[in-house]
Amino acid sequence: DSGVTQTPKHLITATGQRVTLRCSPRSGDLSVYWYQQSLDQGLQFLIQYYNGEERAKGNILERFSAQQFPDLHSELNLSSLELGDSALYFCASSVRPGANVLTFGAGSRLTVL
Amino acid sequence: GQQVMQIPQYQHVQEGEDFTTYCNSSTTLSNIQWYKQRPGGHPVFLIQLVKSGEVKKQKRLTFQFGEAKKNSSLHITATQTTDVGTYFCAGGSNTGKLIFGQGTTLQVKP
Repeated sequence: DSGVTQTPKHLITATGQRVTLRCSPRSGDLSVYWYQQSLDQGLQFLIQYYNGEERAKGNILERFSAQQFPDLHSELNLSSLELGDSALYFCASSVRPGANVLTFGAGSRLTVL
Repeated sequence: GQQVMQIPQYQHVQEGEDFTTYCNSSTTLSNIQWYKQRPGGHPVFLIQLVKSGEVKKQKRLTFQFGEAKKNSSLHITATQTTDVGTYFCAGGSNTGKLIFGQGTTLQVKP
């Protein structure tokens, strides 16, 4: 157990639907990162939050949004889902942004049918 | 934007052979990190390099950071079946963004 909790572990939904993925960072970590990993692909950086504020943005689609709440947990919202959104979504956390080690959660596997 | 390229994408070796993966960034990095993802698992941190020309060792693994802080390598000596997985480098910038390479998937034949 890495200390980063992601729910749900698996999610199957249909095209056009909306889902929310949730992440609780490791105790003491203030920064949360979201990554997307498609089949046999690398880790695509989506977005980063630090202490509730958006810190950095990657190749996140406009259909996707995220936020970090006062208790530091984060949610990634994916809407108008397409088949190509099927992927493993990882949340990671670190003490602070910058030169810090990331601790990854086990991931949420999204399948869009 | 910043890109981190990693080669090779796949590597099959016989147990006992050496293995090396290379990482190159389009921009100068503030640091480089290496992660390992076992099949069906999540990435797990291995090491971080910060200084130009830095070399660090962990048992059979040797990590290097280039003098220009734009490239890095991971070398495994005498691979074992437990080394199987995907190795990712991740380049850190001063903004805090961490960009991952595409990863090198290592298969080890016993």
